[in-house]
Amino acid sequence: EDQVTQSPEALRLQEGESSSLNCSYTVSGLRGLFWYRQDPGKGPEFLFTLYSAGEEKEKERLKATLTKKESFLHITAPKPEDSATYLCAVQAGNFNKFYFGSGTKLNVKP
Amino acid sequence: KAGVTQTPRYLIKTRGQQVTLSCSPISGHRSVSWYQQTPGQGLQFLFEYFSETQRNKGNFPGRFSGRQFSNSRSEMNVSTLELGDSALYLCASTRDADTGELFFGEGSRLTVL
Repeated sequence: EDQVTQSPEALRLQEGESSSLNCSYTVSGLRGLFWYRQDPGKGPEFLFTLYSAGEEKEKERLKATLTKKESFLHITAPKPEDSATYLCAVQAGNFNKFYFGSGTKLNVKP
Repeated sequence: KAGVTQTPRYLIKTRGQQVTLSCSPISGHRSVSWYQQTPGQGLQFLFEYFSETQRNKGNFPGRFSGRQFSNSRSEMNVSTLELGDSALYLCASTRDADTGELFFGEGSRLTVL
């Protein structure tokens, strides 16, 4: 069965304290892995797409990497405004069907 | 460029009633997907429409249904509401038929009493 697991469920960091979020997946026919950010009361907002093992994408303090079984979202020197829930999703099979992980809730304290 | 618009944003229903939620995708986007988000289950795929055709369906009972109109706007309907249907219902659109990032609306929060 296709499955996406994110860890940790919650993460508290001090401002400037770098860390990584994990997304592991078991899907057949991976077509892409996506990272989203979701703020309270809002819909998820797209961050990155990764298509093949070894691929990396960067945006400001965030860097996403992909292996054959997992993806990491590295957060370097986070700021309080990075506080949000980060969701990982995989696209498998045909058309626009995505499997989401349950998310990592990040809280960055000043 | 306007984003994905969902209406209503909040609604309260009682068990046994039915509800219809509406979604207007980004202009030019022809694929519309619906997701249910709950604290316990996270985001779960309901169904996806492209050019008025349902192409994918998630593991939800038949009480959940949807449709897409020729202008790409979509509606989803839940009949015979149960307490467990309380959730945030998110609509997302994509430009391409087969790939690409999802653009989400802000959701319709349904509370079933």
